[in-house]
Amino acid sequence: DAKTTQPPSMDCAEGRAANLPCNHSTISGNEYVYWYRQIHSQGPQYIIHGLKNNETNEMASLIITEDRKSSTLILPHATLRDTAVYYCIVHISSGSARQLTFGSGTQLTVLP
Amino acid sequence: DGGITQSPKYLFRKEGQNVTLSCEQNLNHDAMYWYRQDPGQGLRLIYYSQIVNDFQKGDIAEGYSVSREKKESFPLTVTSAQKNPTAFYLCASSPLIGPYGYTFGSGTRLTVV
Repeated sequence: DAKTTQPPSMDCAEGRAANLPCNHSTISGNEYVYWYRQIHSQGPQYIIHGLKNNETNEMASLIITEDRKSSTLILPHATLRDTAVYYCIVHISSGSARQLTFGSGTQLTVLP
Repeated sequence: DGGITQSPKYLFRKEGQNVTLSCEQNLNHDAMYWYRQDPGQGLRLIYYSQIVNDFQKGDIAEGYSVSREKKESFPLTVTSAQKNPTAFYLCASSPLIGPYGYTFGSGTRLTVV
């Protein structure tokens, strides 16, 4: 699975958009980009995933660059409840269990 | 509602004791995973299983054991051989087919006293 690089921390004002970047320059053609978040002392929560096209769901939007070497998770109107660690993971979708390792992620702090 | 249940939420263990952490899922997922998380760190894979009666070691399997006798259940035993067991333990599951994400449980916090 491709390695990802994320900034260790970011701040965002409440009500503003939070844009969380992720670099995955070694991504291969059949690897998806996944985003999860972990609120303190809870299990991680799946947010969104994508392959090539931009994706949007009720939680967030995912923008993947045309060369697929980086992506941005967008929380359009951040709230205090969005304060969490956000993980960007890249892996293939296959018929076997995936041995994923979650790195340190980005600590997003939403400020009042 | 479907999901993953981990129990107990908090667990205290005396040094030299084995303890077993429970993980049950009703999502009909084939694959199940155990992760360990230390304070301020990411998640490290302990064991994973993609079918009943079969499981594989992850990156930090030493001092841990698992079983997969039922599709729904994947208990983790922290043995006395694990020298630093105090940590937050997370169980997850996923389908094997399709680009679906993991579903995580709420975790068990183990403390050695």
